[in-house]
Amino acid sequence: EVQLVETGGGLVQPGGSLRLSCEASGFTLSPFWVHWVRQVPGKGLMWVSHINAAGGFETTYAASVKGRFSISRNDVENTVYLQMNSLRVDDTAVYYCVRGGSGYAFDMWGQGTWVTVSS
Amino acid sequence: DIQMTQSPSSLSASVGDRVTLTCRASQNIDGYLNWYQQKSGKAPKLLISSASTLYSGVPSRFRGGVSGTDFTLTITSLQPEDSATYYCQQSDTSRTWTFGQGTTVEIK
Repeated sequence: EVQLVETGGGLVQPGGSLRLSCEASGFTLSPFWVHWVRQVPGKGLMWVSHINAAGGFETTYAASVKGRFSISRNDVENTVYLQMNSLRVDDTAVYYCVRGGSGYAFDMWGQGTWVTVSS
Repeated sequence: DIQMTQSPSSLSASVGDRVTLTCRASQNIDGYLNWYQQKSGKAPKLLISSASTLYSGVPSRFRGGVSGTDFTLTITSLQPEDSATYYCQQSDTSRTWTFGQGTTVEIK
């Protein structure tokens, strides 16, 4: 089955770290940009970060996570990562891994992984 | 940063109705506007890209358009399975992406 599968979510204390993984199944991820999008339950969607294809030399971040989060990719493992440091309570959300398609749209979404930041 | 404003925030309509959702960008986005549908407890799905291109497998009753500075998503004949929240998103070349706050569509 063609899909994106996120893992690595969980409960962490404020100030802690987590690394999310996004593995592509059924297709090769390397030609695609990949994004992370988060959503607080009952609220809207917020784009978090992107990494381009061809080695992932271009990355961008939302202002609220810049300097704390880092996106990377390993095309041999067909996986993209989101390293989240200095986590805050307001980082609590479902985090989706998303494939970038034509017109810079998001054409494939993972099922999401929960991140809860709480003491 | 580009801001996206959707209206209305929610609506209720009957099966078979024609409904139109609107999205406005705070600055020119050169038509880089996408629409997503999110059903309760599920991940969003792409409906429309580049303002009016129907994504593969999406029913033809979903139509994207532009009216002046407003982008529109029209459901030409509302079906029970269309109950969901719809988000617009700008994807211009700035390398940052912004979603609208969403419009919830309820079936009467």
